[in-house]
Amino acid sequence: DSGVTQTPKHLITATGQRVTLRCSPRSGDLSVYWYQQSLDQGLQFLIQYYNGEERAKGNILERFSAQQFPDLHSELNLSSLELGDSALYFCASSVAPSSYEQYFGPGTRLTVT
Amino acid sequence: DAKTTQPPSMDCAEGRAANLPCNHSTISGNEYVYWYRQIHSQGPQYIIHGLKNNETNEMASLIITEDRKSSTLILPHATLRDTAVYYCIVKGAVDGNKLVFGAGTILRVKS
Repeated sequence: DSGVTQTPKHLITATGQRVTLRCSPRSGDLSVYWYQQSLDQGLQFLIQYYNGEERAKGNILERFSAQQFPDLHSELNLSSLELGDSALYFCASSVAPSSYEQYFGPGTRLTVT
Repeated sequence: DAKTTQPPSMDCAEGRAANLPCNHSTISGNEYVYWYRQIHSQGPQYIIHGLKNNETNEMASLIITEDRKSSTLILPHATLRDTAVYYCIVKGAVDGNKLVFGAGTILRVKS
């Protein structure tokens, strides 16, 4: 158990819909990262927040947005969902803003039908 | 970021040492070698990292060659639970925050 929690574990929704994925980092970690893992793209970095501020952005679509709240939990919002958005979404956390020792949650499996 | 090359798959007998190689011939002086693994559909798990000295922790040992162009992750006594995809990642200390995962090595531990 990494100490990072993610909810929900599974999510099934229809195209065009909007969903919110939630992540709670390990106690004491200020940085949160979001990654997407699909069958054809592998693990890809989406976005990072540090202490409430956006720190780095990767291959995140404009239909996707995220934020980190004062209690340090983070939410990833996915809108206008397409079939290709079906994937595992992982959240990771670290103590420092530039740490590659990241601790990953169990993931949320999103299925868009 | 330095490019890494790993074999696509390896087999190992349970109880034996698993030695997973990684080539990173374009690594630069300030780049670290990180290893992660992902057990089927679980979140990736940090294993170990190093700069130029060999490192050991409770999970594994990391051996980095003197020229730093390659490294080997050693699981001293592999168990069935070590079956996973192992990723070797090379990153600079202040090189951006994202982890870039390649295809990795599928390690199958067999009884």
